[in-house]
Amino acid sequence: NAGVTQTPKFRVLKTGQSMTLLCAQDMNHEYMYWYRQDPGMGLRLIHYSVGEGTTAKGEVPDGYNVSRLKKQNFLLGLESAAPSQTSVYFCASSLTTNEQFFGPGTRLTVL
Amino acid sequence: KQEVTQIPAALSVPEGENLVLNCSFTDSAIYNLQWFRQDPGKGLTSLLLIQSSQREQTSGRLNASLDKSSGRSTLYIAASQPGDSATYLCAVRRNTGNQFYFGTGTSLTVIP
Repeated sequence: NAGVTQTPKFRVLKTGQSMTLLCAQDMNHEYMYWYRQDPGMGLRLIHYSVGEGTTAKGEVPDGYNVSRLKKQNFLLGLESAAPSQTSVYFCASSLTTNEQFFGPGTRLTVL
Repeated sequence: KQEVTQIPAALSVPEGENLVLNCSFTDSAIYNLQWFRQDPGKGLTSLLLIQSSQREQTSGRLNASLDKSSGRSTLYIAASQPGDSATYLCAVRRNTGNQFYFGTGTSLTVIP
């Protein structure tokens, strides 16, 4: 039982490049979330999903897109990366509205 | 919007001391509240989840309380150990919507 896993762990992009972050969970959770964590800002919700095929915007969705084609996977895309998107990205999942479980994070640097 | 505050931002205590971490929130219409610990460069580890109908939850040396009416939660750590050194975060889920709102955390150092 791996819990929540994230790929990749580290990535460096140049401004304007695109990339996709993958989150996978093996707990059969309905809800999945993408957060970013910045110094002094705490964790902020980017997008979330309450089930396969559904997505919704969180607090800071601009510049990101997501997809939930399979229940166990939640993808976060950056179409044209900007230096302001340098951050640590965390994925989480939960069984509906209960306890959230987090992945280990992806550290992204945009030059 | 729900605002979540954790004070102090940093705390240093000698080993063996009992301590209390604070979390306050502005909107009392919450569904539940969750406490996490985060080690440097790592993800968040869930410690305790308190539903809005509960007053407290306990796990080992940890006890979390919730007072919705005053917008406060506390995390009590008994007999602190150096291994407890980490950042502790609280997160609140509102009654409406599916968002958790996080505080910025309290960085705890337990000195041997």
